[in-house]
Amino acid sequence: GQNIDQPTEMTATEGAIVQINCTYQTSGFNGLFWYQQHAGEAPTFLSYNVLDGLEEKGRFSSFLSRSKGYSYLLLKELQMKDSASYLCAPEPPTGSYQLTFGKGTKLSVIP
Amino acid sequence: EAGVAQSPRYKIIEKRQSVAFWCNPISGHATLYWYQQILGQGPKLLIQFQNNGVVDDSQLPKDRFSAERLKGVDSTLKIQPAKLEDSAVYLCASSTGGGETQYFGPGTRLLVL
Repeated sequence: GQNIDQPTEMTATEGAIVQINCTYQTSGFNGLFWYQQHAGEAPTFLSYNVLDGLEEKGRFSSFLSRSKGYSYLLLKELQMKDSASYLCAPEPPTGSYQLTFGKGTKLSVIP
Repeated sequence: EAGVAQSPRYKIIEKRQSVAFWCNPISGHATLYWYQQILGQGPKLLIQFQNNGVVDDSQLPKDRFSAERLKGVDSTLKIQPAKLEDSAVYLCASSTGGGETQYFGPGTRLLVL
């Protein structure tokens, strides 16, 4: 089975930096996805980490530590449009592929 | 490139009624997923298809839910009869193959009264 833990809610100021953490315990692991979901909309792909370390993609970066079962999503230069839920989804080993999503972290960006 | 299409976008029914949702994946995507997302939670996988075959339906409540993808393209998800706890957003996603990035449709919001 899988156990995924993310903070339920976070608030940050426009222009600031915020880090959204995700810890997971899985029976097997291949990689980890982060998705963004605006209220009332479908999730959209943000990042995928397979190797340990930080991957940067514009204002968004994602970090993975396989040995610690830990990932974080780093959002820089926050904008109001970044207000959304951020979903962490560990990917099981090759051959299974079914994603289990965390409950998501609802980020509110305030002026 | 057109995204994943779903219909209807909204549906309100009474408990014990039946309902069906339709999904058209991105062209060429072999893998199709149906998820249920209850308010305040992450999406939960109900069923995964690879072409027209079922890969995993272990979390599908088979006494009331059914899904098919007869020609390996479009898919339908049916609930019969619906219960109050089925109120949720039903998301369809597709990918080129298992393990690839999943692209989600806009979802169908179901309210069971």
